[in-house]
Amino acid sequence: GEQVEQRPPHLSVPEGDSAVIICTYTDSATAYFYWYKQEPGAGLQLLMSVFSNVDRKEEQGLTVLLNKKDKQLSLNLTAAHPGDSAVYFCAVSAGGNNKLTFGQGTVLSVIP
Amino acid sequence: AQTIHQWPVAEIKAVGSPLSLGCTIKGKSSPNLYWYWQATGGTLQQLFYSITVGQVESVVQLNLSASRPKDDQFILSTEKLLLSHSGFYLCAWSPTTSAETLYFGSGTRLTVL
Repeated sequence: GEQVEQRPPHLSVPEGDSAVIICTYTDSATAYFYWYKQEPGAGLQLLMSVFSNVDRKEEQGLTVLLNKKDKQLSLNLTAAHPGDSAVYFCAVSAGGNNKLTFGQGTVLSVIP
Repeated sequence: AQTIHQWPVAEIKAVGSPLSLGCTIKGKSSPNLYWYWQATGGTLQQLFYSITVGQVESVVQLNLSASRPKDDQFILSTEKLLLSHSGFYLCAWSPTTSAETLYFGSGTRLTVL
C-alpha cells in the first residue's frame, strides 16, 4: 500500500526565514495531496489541497510544489512567524477509497 | 457553515473499562465520516469510515468498534480498554462529492492507566 515519508521530523527557523517540509510517496496513482497544520492539543486544520494536475500552488505565504516524476510534495512557508509554530502533516490519496495516508509529521518551531 | 463537535475533550480511564467517544456534524447532510487515531507524537491512522447511516467500514483492527446511529453522529467505542488505546482520537468529515478533503474535529485525548 501507499507509504509516505516526511522530513524533517523537527525544524527550527528564525522568524522571517523560510521553512521547507518534504514528503515522498510511493503510489504513482496518488492523485490528491494535502497539507495540514496541528496546533498543540487541537485537531488538524487543512492548509492547502492540491490535485495531480497542478505543479505549484501559492496561498497566503504558503507554496506547495508537486513533483510527480520524483513522487515528491513540498510545503514552503515563506517569512515564517511564531504563529506558524505547530506540527505539519502531509497527506495523500489515490482517490476513490476514502483513505488518506499521512506523513509522520514535522514539528516546526519559529524562533522570535 | 458546517461544524464538527467531539466529546469528551479528554478522558482518563482504567485498563479494562469501557469507552465511548462521540462526534456530531452540523450543517451538512449525508457526510462521509471518519475516525482517526494518533499515538502521542505520531502520525494519524484511519480506523473507520462511514458513508451512510448504519454502515461502517473498519480499516484497522485495534479492538475498537464504531457506529453511525444517525446521519450526523459517529460513535467510537470499546468494552475493554487496553493501554495501547491511549492517544488522540480525531473525528473528521468530508463532502460526499469530494471524499478526500477532510475536515477534522478538535479531538479527544484518551489516557489509559
